[in-house]
Amino acid sequence: NAGVTQTPKFQVLKTGQSMTLQCAQDMNHEYMSWYRQDPGMGLRLIHYSVGAGITDQGEVPNGYNVSRSTTEDFPLRLLSAAPSQTSVYFCASSSGNLGEQYFGPGTRLTVT
Amino acid sequence: AQRVTQPEKLLSVFKGAPVELKCNYSYSGSPELFWYVQYSRQRLQLLLRHISRESIKGFTADLNKGETSFHLKKPFAQEEDSAMYYCALSSNTGKLIFGQGTTLQVKP
Repeated sequence: NAGVTQTPKFQVLKTGQSMTLQCAQDMNHEYMSWYRQDPGMGLRLIHYSVGAGITDQGEVPNGYNVSRSTTEDFPLRLLSAAPSQTSVYFCASSSGNLGEQYFGPGTRLTVT
Repeated sequence: AQRVTQPEKLLSVFKGAPVELKCNYSYSGSPELFWYVQYSRQRLQLLLRHISRESIKGFTADLNKGETSFHLKKPFAQEEDSAMYYCALSSNTGKLIFGQGTTLQVKP
């Protein structure tokens, strides 16, 4: 099993550009989440999903969109990148709200 | 509101000293609490969860509902324990909320 995979590993965007961060898992997990990690702020939940076709907002959803058309994939879209979105983004999956969350390796995004 | 607070950004101890990483939470329901760890250049991974009542790598954590705390403890720190530690709270809606994280530095 590959576990949770994320692409790309690094990305530089200009302000106003859009892009999609990819996340996939091969563990048949129902729950998937996106977090951003910033110094002094810890991990903050952006969006999460409890199953295909179901998504909900986390703590910091503004500027991000998600969809969950399959169990395996949970892409995160930045519609119009801003310097405040410079961060490290982590995707995670779990079998339930009491289950262990498995994290991807992260995507380091810089917006200039 | 669901909230997790880790008051210390950095905790620095000498090898062999006791360690306590503090975590306080705010949640109206019955909380499910976890500690996650991120070693240098590795993925974030689960260290322990309160429902298991287990000890992992010598670490333990006790849920104190009266003080709304879930502090992580280890009697004798090792250099390999140096890492970033996150306390997290899971709600029955599927959200997992993390604290700000504490960097543990164990000096030789």
